[in-house]
Amino acid sequence: GQQLNQSPQSMFIQEGEDVSMNCTSSSIFNTWLWYKQDPGEGPVLLIALYKAGELTSNGRLTAQFGTTRKDSFLNISASIPSDVGIYFCAGQPPFYGGSQGNLIFGKGTKLSVKP
Amino acid sequence: KAGVTQTPRYLIKTRGQQVTLSCSPISGHRSVSWYQQTPGQGLQFLFEYFSETQRNKGNFPGRFSGRQFSNSRSEMNVSTLELGDSALYLCASSLLTSGGMNEQFFGPGTRLTVL
Repeated sequence: GQQLNQSPQSMFIQEGEDVSMNCTSSSIFNTWLWYKQDPGEGPVLLIALYKAGELTSNGRLTAQFGTTRKDSFLNISASIPSDVGIYFCAGQPPFYGGSQGNLIFGKGTKLSVKP
Repeated sequence: KAGVTQTPRYLIKTRGQQVTLSCSPISGHRSVSWYQQTPGQGLQFLFEYFSETQRNKGNFPGRFSGRQFSNSRSEMNVSTLELGDSALYLCASSLLTSGGMNEQFFGPGTRLTVL
């Protein structure tokens, strides 16, 4: 089945630093989504991308949909302690028969921020 | 607007028992997807329901089943529980558009522990 390779697995950075993480796939996706999950909670949607090459920002977060439709990256600028958590990429494969409900998730990037 | 709600939040069962988890989507959302999250396998797609019909199913045994009601609320059932079924079960709702936009919003999850 389709798989997403998300890297890095973990990051330990200083407050104020910029962060970059990415996801790659061997097959194309129609949609890329980035989520953040805190312990004991469900993932929270950060950014959604729908077109190849699209670059979208949400505050200090910026994400891009790769032009090949097989990759995406997420950047966080000027990190703060509340950015701590696990970040997941998710891709929606091309759908047939009207079904859009299947997201493929990366394994996550665990972000730790030193004050 | 209220978010996705899931009940119960925590559940402890023993092997061989069955369990039913409930999910209420965001008002107006007709698509509900279920995911299993474990430390080893990450987030894996179980199934998706739309207008009371299962439209897509992941690679899980038949012990995992679900249904959706006319008000879009959904339940999933796991029969003959195994130790490996211990996981966080997440429900996500989506307002699907004809353009293919599929932003899935997650509930807080149900933490199932099988003893």
